[in-house]
Amino acid sequence: GNSVTQMEGPVTLSEEAFLTINCTYTATGYPSLFWYVQYPGEGLQLLLKATKADDKGSNKGFEATYRKETTSFHLEKGSVQVSDSAVYFCALILYSSASKIIFGSGTRLSIRP
Amino acid sequence: NAGVTQTPKFQVLKTGQSMTLQCAQDMNHEYMSWYRQDPGMGLRLIHYSVGAGITDQGEVPNGYNVSRSTTEDFPLRLLSAAPSQTSVYFCASSRDTVNTEAFFGQGTRLTVV
Repeated sequence: GNSVTQMEGPVTLSEEAFLTINCTYTATGYPSLFWYVQYPGEGLQLLLKATKADDKGSNKGFEATYRKETTSFHLEKGSVQVSDSAVYFCALILYSSASKIIFGSGTRLSIRP
Repeated sequence: NAGVTQTPKFQVLKTGQSMTLQCAQDMNHEYMSWYRQDPGMGLRLIHYSVGAGITDQGEVPNGYNVSRSTTEDFPLRLLSAAPSQTSVYFCASSRDTVNTEAFFGQGTRLTVV
């Protein structure tokens, strides 16, 4: 079946550290890939997306590259800030499954000043 | 610019009670969905709708009903609340589901005692 696997959290880093959150997927077709972020007490909001192999999504200093050969979409940021503390969800959508976003389990990120 | 509005934000129910979680969007989106968020499990799809008058089941539909009489509204009904339905519920809408982002409400935290 279709699924998304994220690295277990929580992840705790110091401010200005380099961030990687791993995400791999299993899909029967060619998915679009997304990273959503959930700040405390809020709903999810789109962080970035990539719709085909080798596409790079970027936003707010975060980047992720759609790697079809490794079925991965790892999230990276060169220098994290305290304000990046949140829960990050990797997700996919398949063209053949309307309205069905498949989410990973989420990774909680905490940044120390 | 309201986006997706969910009410109530918090609710406590007794086992066996029924209630309706409201969701409304003002973006004229065709696609709407309900998810529940449980610790360590990410978001799981309960029901979804691809347009007014059309609904379908997601991954965890048991114990929940939905209807979509208008494009704007997508209420979720709990028929007879159970402690296993204690969760945070999110409503989402999107213009389509292939390449565009989903917009989420702020969530309803439901406790069933």
